[in-house]
Parts: sequence; structure tokens; C-alpha cells
Amino acid sequence: DAGVIQSPRHEVTEMGQEVTLRCKPISGHDYLFWYRQTMMRGLELLIYFNNNVPIDDSGMPEDRFSAKMPNASFSTLKIQPSEPRDSAVYFCASSLRQELYGYTFGSGTRLTVV
Amino acid sequence: AQSVSQHNHHVILSEAASLELGCNYSYGGTVNLFWYVQYPGQHLQLLLKYFSGDPLVKGIKGFEAEFIKSKFSFNLRKPSVQWSDTAEYFCAVIRNSGNTPLVFGKGTRLSVIA
Repeated sequence: DAGVIQSPRHEVTEMGQEVTLRCKPISGHDYLFWYRQTMMRGLELLIYFNNNVPIDDSGMPEDRFSAKMPNASFSTLKIQPSEPRDSAVYFCASSLRQELYGYTFGSGTRLTVV
Repeated sequence: AQSVSQHNHHVILSEAASLELGCNYSYGGTVNLFWYVQYPGQHLQLLLKYFSGDPLVKGIKGFEAEFIKSKFSFNLRKPSVQWSDTAEYFCAVIRNSGNTPLVFGKGTRLSVIA
């Protein structure tokens, strides 16, 4: 299994531009999570899905952030418009029976908004 | 709500020293517990987990953790650290029912010096 696949690995964009981060979970996993990690705030859960349905998006910082999971093998996190304070590493993670196996994380997308 | 406390923000050890990282959680019900490691520039990886049985669990790379229910603790230990153990370590807890996501601590940064 290739694990959780995120793209791109690095993204540099100008303030005001739209940014789309992509995630392919492990096949068969029924949970998908989006996290943001910064030095100041640590690891933050933004949103998570169960069977493609968003369960809790209370961690999404603002309306500029949106996430979708159109099918079991793909999810996107979109920021529109982007701001410098959105600069962070964004991780996607997936899980099956999270209480037993925990999460498998992707390699992350390092976003820099200039 | 559940919460996880990691007492040490940054620990500096010399090679061959013994390691113990503290983790306490607050939740009155049955929980499962995890330790994740994040090497510099990488994603979180599962180090070990506990959900039942022997409260002393062994993980990869010589790490172990002990679940003490009466103290709501799940401390991580390693008898002799190596320079390659330099990383950030995250403790996480989840309700045994699995219907809420993992709650992560803020992490402890370990620096091992030669």
C-alpha cells in the first residue's frame, strides 16, 4: 500500500490566490482527517469525514477554508483567498477503526503564502 | 471533553541517557492511547499503542510506554536514547467507542546531543 498520498508537497502562492490541497487516503479506510501544523499553534484538527460525509468542521478557521470528499479515494482542502497567516504544513490522515489502529498520516503539504 | 497534557515542551538529553516523557489525559471512561513520533521535516508516525491487556506496551525502536489507569498516565520511555531519536513526540487518546477523533497533546520536542 502506498499510504496516504498528498499533493503537492510544497506550494508557494501569492496572497489572495486560491490554493487546493489534495489527499488520497488508504484504500478501505473510512475516516479522513485534515490537520494544520504550525510552530505557534501546534497540530490542529480542521475537519474530518466518515464515509465521505463531513462530521465535524469546527476546526476550520474561517469561511475561506472549505473541504470536500467527493468519493472514498479523494479529498480536497481549499483556501480562497489565501493569506500569509495560512502558511503552515497541512497533513491529511486516514483511518479504519481509529480506536484500535490510530491514524496513518500523509507526508504533508508545506504551504507558503507570500 | 477529553484533553491530553504533555508536561515537557522540550527535553535535551545526551546520547545513552534514559528517556521518560510524561503524558496525562483527562477522561473518565475507557480510552485507548497512542504515541506518535515526528522526525524533523517528516509526518507523524505511530510509535506504539495501548488498548487492552498488559499495561506495559513495547513499540518500535526500543520505545515502551506504561499505562497507569489510576494516574491517568501513559508515559513513554526508552532506556538509552540515540541521536536519531531527535524528534517531536505526541501522545494521543481516543474514547474506546471510537466515535470521536483522537485528541493529541501539544507534543514534546526531544533533542539528543552527542
